[in-house]
Amino acid sequence: DIQMTQSPSFVSASVGDRVTITCRASQDISSSLAWYQQKPGEAPKVLIYGTFSLQSGVPPRFSGGGSGTDFTLTISSLQPEDFATYYCQQADSFPLTFGGGTKVEI
Amino acid sequence: EVQLVESGGGLVQAGGSLRLSCAASGFMFRNYAMSWVRQSPGKGLEWVAVIGDDGTNIHYADSVEGRFTISRDNSKNTLYLQMNSLRAEDTAVYYCAKYRALGAARSFDFWGQGTLVTVSS
Repeated sequence: DIQMTQSPSFVSASVGDRVTITCRASQDISSSLAWYQQKPGEAPKVLIYGTFSLQSGVPPRFSGGGSGTDFTLTISSLQPEDFATYYCQQADSFPLTFGGGTKVEI
Repeated sequence: EVQLVESGGGLVQAGGSLRLSCAASGFMFRNYAMSWVRQSPGKGLEWVAVIGDDGTNIHYADSVEGRFTISRDNSKNTLYLQMNSLRAEDTAVYYCAKYRALGAARSFDFWGQGTLVTVSS
């Protein structure tokens, strides 16, 4: 199984900050990587798919990068509604696996 | 508007069974793969199972293989998860998710609100 390791687990940030979250796969997954945002009491929502592609309706302050085993999610200027938990997920092979999550808090 | 509405969750004893349903609307259900993803209280996301658009091409997480069965009824726009031999560690919110199965763009592009399954030991 492909293990997905996110770092950091927690990020303390302020409105306007640039935030970068890293996700590392235990083996090469090419560009088959998605990022999700989850707020308390809500279902996850896809932000980025295929490493770089922004899901329709997602603000352009979110961007994804990387390839192979190392990937990033960047929020260019943190907004109040961005305080949430973020998960990466590999879609290269079954079983599909998620990272452990990164909580972005004030 | 895409809508996925789960039902069937509840409290069950260890060793028991439960069947979850997910009613889909707002898109051509028969044309898309579907999946179940779960989240234990206070924990991260765990993929459970996926089923292809025509009911074939099924895969399971090792943790549920042999105990859970994913199925769909395209005439009813409904996805199911039959859960047998339930364990305490199966306690979680179960989400139904539409699976975008397109090469590197594979991802869960729409999610339901989830249904809570609690297994008492």
